[in-house]
Amino acid sequence: GENVEQHPSTLSVQEGDSAVIKCTYSDSASNYFPWYKQELGKRPQLIIDIRSNVGEKKDQRIAVTLNKTAKHFSLHITETQPEDSAVYFCAASETGGFKTIFGAGTRLFVKA
Amino acid sequence: SAVISQKPSRDICQRGTSLTIQCQVDSQVTMMFWYRQQPGQSLTLIATANQGSEATYESGFVIDKFPISRPNLTFSTLTVSNMSPEDSSIYLCSVEEAAETQYFGPGTRLLVL
Repeated sequence: GENVEQHPSTLSVQEGDSAVIKCTYSDSASNYFPWYKQELGKRPQLIIDIRSNVGEKKDQRIAVTLNKTAKHFSLHITETQPEDSAVYFCAASETGGFKTIFGAGTRLFVKA
Repeated sequence: SAVISQKPSRDICQRGTSLTIQCQVDSQVTMMFWYRQQPGQSLTLIATANQGSEATYESGFVIDKFPISRPNLTFSTLTVSNMSPEDSSIYLCSVEEAAETQYFGPGTRLLVL
């Protein structure tokens, strides 16, 4: 079955710096890769996603890149702000597979 | 996206008892899921709640411990049976909208004493 590994587990950056979180997956059939942000005591919120027919997607300060050959995908946050502090989860799923596998999560701290 | 609500939002229960968690969606959805999130951990899929048929359970989760109902396309329940302190966790329902995109309910925070 699918396995998703996420690094780093903790990331601390200075406000205004960039943050990068990386994930790898094992199942080459996976073709949908969402990212979720979970603030303390809140539900996971979808912040961006990418499908296998696209190499990069950007939404304001957030971008995601996908390398299907290497089975890597990454989340890039530019100009980080204190409100970006949260736990971020990557995930992978397959169309029609009805199962999403989540990474272990990255706790991001943005220091003001 | 769909508006998802869960009841209760939190509960404290005694070991050996059962708790039923409700998940309500404001629109009809085909796919509903139940996840467990233990403190400081990631999301683990318990089961897929199938409308009109038995739920599909993931490895390590069984129907006797986590019975699920899905009477229609907007509602599902998860029961945590014969609880022990190890069941203390956050339980989240989610729905799948367009093409694999999942949205989560607010979660039910359960503490078993």
